[in-house]
Amino acid sequence: SQTIHQWPATLVQPVGSPLSLECTVEGTSNPNLYWYRQAAGRGLQLLFYSVGIGQISSEVPQNLSASRPQDRQFILSSKKLLLSDSGFYLCAWSVPRPLNEKLFFGSGTQLSVL
Amino acid sequence: GENVEQHPSTLSVQEGDSAVIKCTYSDSASNYFPWYKQELGKRPQLIIDIRSNVGEKKDQRIAVTLNKTAKHFSLHITETQPEDSAVYFCAAEGGYQKVTFGTGTKLQVIP
Repeated sequence: SQTIHQWPATLVQPVGSPLSLECTVEGTSNPNLYWYRQAAGRGLQLLFYSVGIGQISSEVPQNLSASRPQDRQFILSSKKLLLSDSGFYLCAWSVPRPLNEKLFFGSGTQLSVL
Repeated sequence: GENVEQHPSTLSVQEGDSAVIKCTYSDSASNYFPWYKQELGKRPQLIIDIRSNVGEKKDQRIAVTLNKTAKHFSLHITETQPEDSAVYFCAAEGGYQKVTFGTGTKLQVIP
């Protein structure tokens, strides 16, 4: 069966520090991968998605970046964090079309930028 | 790109009553519409989904309807229970396998 791992679960970082969040998927090949951010009490904002190795689509201009160095690995990074980067970050995966579009989420990373 | 609007933002119902959450979408190419339930501090979990070639789908106390012409879809929960209390998100998948979410509805079921 497929599983998604996301870490760390919580992170407290000072403003201006770098960020690296990692997500890996097991039990499937060539998944679609996504990074979402959820501000406190708000909806899910799509940040990046990838349909293959090295292919990244950015949805929102910001100081974050994403990379997909391996088929089942998705990394969210920042060189210098801002206060506004605080939030709940969720990695997700889905099987590419035409099979199944169901989206499965990781357990999330609660990021606090102070 | 796709824009998904969701109403209401909060909803309180008495236990046993029904709850209805409505969403509209903008991209006529969207063809997959999932609904997610998120409990406090947890990840969103898929509860039901519908594809564009179907008008209605039911799973026990949960049902979803889709009107492609009007570009809106709705979640119906019958015989609500306290454990149904959570935030519910609708979503639409359009081109390029990108899933766009609504802003969420906080459902409170009052015992």
